[in-house]
Amino acid sequence: RKEVEQDPGPFNVPEGATVAFNCTYSNSASQSFFWYRQDCRKEPKLLMSVYSSGNEDGRFTAQLNRASQYISLLIRDSKLSDSATYLCVVISPTNAGNNRKLIWGLGTSLAVNP
Amino acid sequence: EAQVTQNPRYLITVTGKKLTVTCSQNMNHEYMSWYRQDPGLGLRQIYYSMNVEVTDKGDVPEGYKVSRKEKRNFPLILESPSPNQTSLYFCASGRVAGGPSSYNEQFFGPGTRLTVL
Repeated sequence: RKEVEQDPGPFNVPEGATVAFNCTYSNSASQSFFWYRQDCRKEPKLLMSVYSSGNEDGRFTAQLNRASQYISLLIRDSKLSDSATYLCVVISPTNAGNNRKLIWGLGTSLAVNP
Repeated sequence: EAQVTQNPRYLITVTGKKLTVTCSQNMNHEYMSWYRQDPGLGLRQIYYSMNVEVTDKGDVPEGYKVSRKEKRNFPLILESPSPNQTSLYFCASGRVAGGPSSYNEQFFGPGTRLTVL
């Protein structure tokens, strides 16, 4: 099982739709979680951190489910400009246990259509 | 303007010809990292540095070298490039809070598209 897994998509949705992505992780000791957005051939940019209690930023909501070991990203009222690849990042302990490593998902592609 | 810069942005070279991709950040970040991104394989970490003179291997370090002599610069060196190093390379930096094993937001450079013939 991969350490971090995402459904690659593509997700094709009409403008105004609500869409949700999940990202599962294998290490139950993982501590921090992030969602990044990457436009085609551009650099990734932080979209939002994921807090234990869940957090919202405008149309975007991130949630963490530790029991089932996944994080989610919900986008409401999708805009054409939301078309991008969404990458999840999980901070997990290394095998030695005394350090942390960033593990990137492969990304979920979203296309919002007019 | 706070930013991470990489040079060159595009490079076509031939097998075996040594090259260096520069990376510089002006945010006084302790942490810097190099990634390569390939279709179907996502972002893979090559090397990272927690601070000056401290570097560690990532997941795919073979064929690459780095150095961190100054806080702002983290060059990536390919001593003898091969075609399998054709890729899109990203440099990133970030602040390390809560001790050397914590990570905050990473800021990425615009990427370097390298082709090795």
